[in-house]
Amino acid sequence: KAGVTQTPRYLIKTRGQQVTLSCSPISGHRSVSWYQQTPGQGLQFLFEYFSETQRNKGNFPGRFSGRQFSNSRSEMNVSTLELGDSALYLCASSFGQRGEQYFGPGTRLTVT
Amino acid sequence: QKEVEQNSGPLSVPEGAIASLNCTYSDRGSQSFFWYRQYSGKSPELIMSIYSNGDKEDGRFTAQLNKASQYVSLLIRDSQPSDSATYLCAVKDGGNEKLTFGTGTRLTIIP
Repeated sequence: KAGVTQTPRYLIKTRGQQVTLSCSPISGHRSVSWYQQTPGQGLQFLFEYFSETQRNKGNFPGRFSGRQFSNSRSEMNVSTLELGDSALYLCASSFGQRGEQYFGPGTRLTVT
Repeated sequence: QKEVEQNSGPLSVPEGAIASLNCTYSDRGSQSFFWYRQYSGKSPELIMSIYSNGDKEDGRFTAQLNKASQYVSLLIRDSQPSDSATYLCAVKDGGNEKLTFGTGTRLTIIP
């Protein structure tokens, strides 16, 4: 089975811009979770989608949003980018509750 | 706030020896426990999952869980230089898919 894919892999944006990241889960997986990884904060949970519905949300400002499509592919959006949003954004998919999560390669976002 | 604690290391282990990585968690409602390996510049890779008390073995890896002590560990036998990486402990409660991660332990295997 193909793994989780994320596009783009690298992105450079300037403050105030917005960005959209994409994630395609493993075939058959219906849950998609997003995480932010920074050297200072480690891996932090952003949100999780299942069957096009956001089920859980982490402690991030409303500038961070996401959605899931009927084919389980997911996108996350960050508006009004700040320097502190520079991070590795990781998407993980799982079959369902209590399932193991598998990570994609990540999108490295740099905000200048 | 739910927390997962790991010794950040670095932990240096000679090649061929056993590497022991430890993790404690604060939420007694936690039901699923995972170990991920992350090489520098790469994304986390799932290496072990454990759901009930006791040991679970997979090749050179053994995960150990003690819910009463809120403690989970990972043993790597016959350590190889390719095991040099950061190991992340992750915990999930039964209510949702959110993984709470520790800060990771950096492991270096010395040839």
